[in-house]
Amino acid sequence: DIQMTQSPSSVSASVGDRVTITCRASQGISSWLAWYQQKPGKAPKLLIYAASSFQSGVPSRFSGSGSGTDFTLTISSLQPEDFATYYCQQANSFPFTFGPGTKVDIK
Amino acid sequence: QVQLVQSGAEVKNPGASVKVSCKASGYTFTIYYMHWVRQAPGQGLEWMGIINPSGGGTSYAQKFQGRVTMTRDTSTSTVYMELSNLRSEDTAVYYCARAQTPYSSSSGFFDYWGQGTLVTVSS
Repeated sequence: DIQMTQSPSSVSASVGDRVTITCRASQGISSWLAWYQQKPGKAPKLLIYAASSFQSGVPSRFSGSGSGTDFTLTISSLQPEDFATYYCQQANSFPFTFGPGTKVDIK
Repeated sequence: QVQLVQSGAEVKNPGASVKVSCKASGYTFTIYYMHWVRQAPGQGLEWMGIINPSGGGTSYAQKFQGRVTMTRDTSTSTVYMELSNLRSEDTAVYYCARAQTPYSSSSGFFDYWGQGTLVTVSS
C-alpha cells in the first residue's frame, strides 16, 4: 500500500496568513493526488484533484502543486471559514489511502 | 442537484453485522462508481472499497476482505455496505462517496459525499 504523510500535523494561523501544507507519498503517484477539507461533524469536501486542478466552486485562494512524491496545498490568505482539517489522498492505485490530516486552527 | 443520503445511526453488539445504505439522486446512478470510506472517532479517513453501480462489480481493501460486502439496487439508486463480525475497532462514521469521473473504476477523486452514518459497536 502507498503510505501518505503530511506536515505539519497542526498549524495555528491568523486570518490573512498564508498557510502551506505538505504531503508526501511513499512511492511515485504522478499527479494522482487530491486535497479535502473537513469540518467537525461534516463529510470531507473535495478542494483540489489531480494535484493542481480546482474543484468547481472552490475559492481561488486554495492552490495545489507537486507531482511524483511531494505535494503542497497552499491557502494564500486564510479566511475564517478555512479553519478545518485538511487531508491529502492518493488515487494512483488501490487501496486509495489518505494522509493523517493537518488541523488548521486559530492563533 | 447531486445528493447522497445515508441511513441512520446504528448500535451493534460485537460479532453482529451492519448494513448501511446510500441513496443517490440528481444524476445518472449507473455511470459513476461509488466508494465507501470510514472514519473512526477523532481519526483519519480509511478507504474500504468500490462498487460499480451498473454491473455490481466490487473491489475491497484487503483489510476488509471477507467481512465487507457492497451491493446496489438500480431500481432505487441505492448502494449498500454490509460489514460483518463487528468489533469495537469498527466504531466509526461510514461515508459513501461518488467517483468524480463517470465510467471509470480508477477514478479515485470523490466529488460528492453522503452525510455519514455512525456505527457504534459496543456490548
